[in-house]
Amino acid sequence: EVQLVESGGGLVQPGGSLRLSCAASGFTFSNFGMNWVRQAPGKGLEWISHISSGGDSIYYADSVKGRFTISRDNAKNSLYLQVSGLRAEDTAVYSCARGGWWIDYWGQGTLVTVSS
Amino acid sequence: EIVLTQSPATLSLSPGERATLSCRASQSVSSYLAWYQQKPGQAPRLLIYDASNRATGIPARFSGSGSGTDFTLTISSLEPEDFAVYYCHQRSNWPRAFGGGTKVEIK
Repeated sequence: EVQLVESGGGLVQPGGSLRLSCAASGFTFSNFGMNWVRQAPGKGLEWISHISSGGDSIYYADSVKGRFTISRDNAKNSLYLQVSGLRAEDTAVYSCARGGWWIDYWGQGTLVTVSS
Repeated sequence: EIVLTQSPATLSLSPGERATLSCRASQSVSSYLAWYQQKPGQAPRLLIYDASNRATGIPARFSGSGSGTDFTLTISSLEPEDFAVYYCHQRSNWPRAFGGGTKVEIK
């Protein structure tokens, strides 16, 4: 069974940083591109970043480019998102999602709240 | 950057009725469009990929059509479990994008 479990969210002040993690199991992690998607409270889905299976191709949404950094450790079956320069509008549930072509599995997410 | 616009924002229908949801892209995405269903408190579920292919386990009452800039998700006869929010998503270009969503609610 495919499982994606995020961690690392929390309350952070504007301008602060966090490192989000996603532990993957139930599939060969190194064979799949991975994504981070976020959803602000009561709002829609927003794709924010993708990393290829080998980590050599990386893409970001314009809204997070230069502030967020995606990475992965295939030996640890883990995906990461370093988020910095946080703003109130970054408040959301951040989910990791499997898929180089189409996203087919999602985690339940970790909540990041940006507030003073 | 491709923008996906979904309409209507809310669709109020009764069980057994037909639902027609629209997604329009700001530029051609060929057939690289998917549809997802999301229920409250749950992760999204892939329904349709490549515009018209049903994902594994998706009932035949769900169908997708379109190419280029105009796409449609049709639910032929709404079941009680189909009342949810639906999102379109493109993978034609980076950055990827989701539409704003259509909520299908019980009338």
